Amino acid sequence: AQSVSQHNHHVILSEAASLELGCNYSYGGTVNLFWYVQYPGQHLQLLLKYFSGDPLVKGIKGFEAEFIKSKFSFNLRKPSVQWSDTAEYFCAVNPMDSNYQLIWGAGTKLIIKP
Amino acid sequence: KAGVTQTPRYLIKTRGQQVTLSCSPISGHRSVSWYQQTPGQGLQFLFEYFSETQRNKGNFPGRFSGRQFSNSRSEMNVSTLELGDSALYLCASSKDGGDSYEQYFGPGTRLTVT
Repeated sequence: AQSVSQHNHHVILSEAASLELGCNYSYGGTVNLFWYVQYPGQHLQLLLKYFSGDPLVKGIKGFEAEFIKSKFSFNLRKPSVQWSDTAEYFCAVNPMDSNYQLIWGAGTKLIIKP
Repeated sequence: KAGVTQTPRYLIKTRGQQVTLSCSPISGHRSVSWYQQTPGQGLQFLFEYFSETQRNKGNFPGRFSGRQFSNSRSEMNVSTLELGDSALYLCASSKDGGDSYEQYFGPGTRLTVT
């Protein structure tokens, strides 16, 4: 079965630290890839997406992600985190032949210490 | 442009009862997906509707059902509620489930079953 793995369920960092959140998926075909973020008390919102082209994609608030097809990975990065980045981050994959379904990771709760 | 709206925002029901949740997608969006979000489980896909037809379905029991109206508004019904149905139910709309499957989420309905 298709699945998405987010290896870290909880991450605690200090402000200005660099961030990398892992996301791996199990599907051999063409995919669309997404990172969503849920700030405390807010809706889930799109952080960035990859459909095709340059495998390094940039999103809002200084986030970026790199699609490495050979590793089935789409890791999220930010060079210097801020306290306001405290949130839960979800990776989602849309296998292109999946009848329009998104497969979601379990989420990573990120806490930034001021 | 108004976002995805969900009503009610909070519900408390008793085991054995049934409940209906409502979702109004962004104007022009024809796809509506429903998810169950619980701590530690992430987002579990319930079903997706497109142009009044259920296009995709997750692995939930038949007690969970839905429908979509001609104006793309959608309802989700849960019959014979169980304690384990307590969760945040999220609705997401998308313009089309084609190549750009980007979903926009509502604030959710928090269902508590006692």
